[in-house]
Amino acid sequence: GAVVSQHPSRVICKSGTSVKIECRSLDFQATTMFWYRQFPKQSLMLMATSNEGSKATYEQGVEKDKFLINHASLTLSTLTVTSAHPEDSSFYICSARRVAGEQYFGPGTRLTVT
Amino acid sequence: AQSVAQPEDQVNVAEGNPLTVKCTYSVSGNPYLFWYVQYPNRGLQFLLKYITGDNLVKGSYGFEAEFNKSQTSFHLKKPSALVSDSALYFCAVRDPQGGSEKLVFGKGTKLTVNP
Repeated sequence: GAVVSQHPSRVICKSGTSVKIECRSLDFQATTMFWYRQFPKQSLMLMATSNEGSKATYEQGVEKDKFLINHASLTLSTLTVTSAHPEDSSFYICSARRVAGEQYFGPGTRLTVT
Repeated sequence: AQSVAQPEDQVNVAEGNPLTVKCTYSVSGNPYLFWYVQYPNRGLQFLLKYITGDNLVKGSYGFEAEFNKSQTSFHLKKPSALVSDSALYFCAVRDPQGGSEKLVFGKGTKLTVNP
């Protein structure tokens, strides 16, 4: 159990466009979901924490108007990168957490902005 | 604020030999500690965690880790390494004080097991 999926696994978009990444907990209800960003050969940096039905909490330095997070249900959270630029190219990873449980990570989404 | 240090960027071991991947942490309260493994272009897979209780924690794929409060360490170990263990390993800490759910990760250690 505790499987988390992400879609798409890879996406290429043009500069100035927006792209949406989905994160789903397949076999459990996730009260909290997290979005991370990972640069090549670097660690994961937490971008934001979202609880179902409430606004996301963003980490310092993360632009909430650029990285829109929606946690509409207990099994789905979405990250929308608005007006993407090449510097937004990265590996985005979500995780989902049950009540009083550890985080389970999705397989990641490779975003390339051309 | 909590922090994690993985002092080695890379660890190389021969297949069949024991392996150790080091991790030290800093938190204000009692830590929750985790180890994750990441294969190329994949998300993180949970290996093991320490919350409370026995200092020696056993996890997936034969890995174990020992919590040492005096040395603020949580080193990952395996008695006999496999080539398939080659991957990127991340240590993470959570400080539960104040109800924080935030995980802070170390920079990662690349493990290479040579046949």
